[in-house]
Amino acid sequence: GNSVTQMEGPVTLSEEAFLTINCTYTATGYPSLFWYVQYPGEGLQLLLKATKADDKGSNKGFEATYRKETTSFHLEKGSVQVSDSAVYFCALRSPEGGSEKLVFGKGMKLTVNP
Amino acid sequence: DTEVTQTPKHLVMGMTNKKSLKCEQHMGHRAMYWYKQKAKKPPELMFVYSYEKLSINESVPSRFSPECPNSSLLNLHLHALQPEDSALYLCASSQRGIPSSYEQYFGPGTRLTVT
Repeated sequence: GNSVTQMEGPVTLSEEAFLTINCTYTATGYPSLFWYVQYPGEGLQLLLKATKADDKGSNKGFEATYRKETTSFHLEKGSVQVSDSAVYFCALRSPEGGSEKLVFGKGMKLTVNP
Repeated sequence: DTEVTQTPKHLVMGMTNKKSLKCEQHMGHRAMYWYKQKAKKPPELMFVYSYEKLSINESVPSRFSPECPNSSLLNLHLHALQPEDSALYLCASSQRGIPSSYEQYFGPGTRLTVT
């Protein structure tokens, strides 16, 4: 079946540090890949997405590239801010077996200190 | 407008109460979802409605009863809940169709506490 494996953390960084959150997946067919962010006390927000191999999603300084050869979709940001403190979820949606389902990784809590 | 709204924001209910959660979207999305999220866990899918019809029920106990009265509204009726049902309940919506690229838009959630 489809699955997502991501770094679980928690991770604490200083402001302006470089961030990488690893995400790998297992899926049939050609899934679409997503990063969602959940700020404290809120719902999930779509951060970025990529729908085919070698696509790069980007938003708010975050980037992730769909790597089919390594089945990965790692999230990166060059300089984190205190406001980036949140839980980050990697997710996939596969066209096979019912595309309604979004399969999530376990999430990674990031804390950024000033 | 890419907003999904949910009411109430917080709900405390006893095990014998009946209450309802409400979700609304005006993006023309024809797929709507209910998720349950426990602390420090990813959301777990409960129900999916597609074109106002229930298409997926992830073996959810019958004390949770979903309803989709029209294409913009989704309700979750609660009855005889257990304390372990305390969680954040998230609603989401997306376009409906073959492409799996359609992202889901989430509401802010209802924080439910069962006493």
